[in-house]
Amino acid sequence: KQEVTQIPAALSVPEGENLVLNCSFTDSAIYNLQWFRQDPGKGLTSLLLIQSSQREQTSGRLNASLDKSSGRSTLYIAASQPGDSATYLCAVGEYGNKLVFGAGTILRVKS
Amino acid sequence: GAGVSQTPSNKVTEKGKYVELRCDPISGHTALYWYRQSLGQGPEFLIYFQGTGAADDSGLPNDRFFAVRPEGSVSTLKIQRTERGDSAVYLCASRQTSGGWNEQFFGPGTRLTVL
Repeated sequence: KQEVTQIPAALSVPEGENLVLNCSFTDSAIYNLQWFRQDPGKGLTSLLLIQSSQREQTSGRLNASLDKSSGRSTLYIAASQPGDSATYLCAVGEYGNKLVFGAGTILRVKS
Repeated sequence: GAGVSQTPSNKVTEKGKYVELRCDPISGHTALYWYRQSLGQGPEFLIYFQGTGAADDSGLPNDRFFAVRPEGSVSTLKIQRTERGDSAVYLCASRQTSGGWNEQFFGPGTRLTVL
């Protein structure tokens, strides 16, 4: 059974800092990996999707990498802003593209 | 519509009652998913529809849970004899299935509280 772990569980950084969120998964037979952002009381907003054949994806200040063989992904956020404060969820896509989620990293960016 | 919509946004019910939660996916998305998210955890898969049929219902916790998608668009998640442990946020997502494995788009969720 696929298990997804996210480290750290919570992170507090000053504005402007670059930061890395980590995600690991136990079964490398995945179709893709998706990073989401969730604001309190809200649904999920898709940030980046990496297909299993890809190594990384970039969108603005965000960069996500995927190392399928080692079961790891990282989300890099450059020049963090208070508006980046949210919970970040990593999810791996299995057959049928059903997603298996980690518990998330709660990020707080202090101004 | 512009995005995935879910109704109601909040539902409070009493233990033992029946509830229905509705999901309206993005127009043209043939794949539809239901997830359940408990406080402090990531969402957990419940069921996946491809068109009108349930392609994978392995995440439904027991036979009190049932979901339908009769016309391949709107889906309803039905919970019979609700229990306090069913309290959670129920999320719906849809995905376009042409052109490979595409990202899932989520609705805002329905917060279910069973008293």
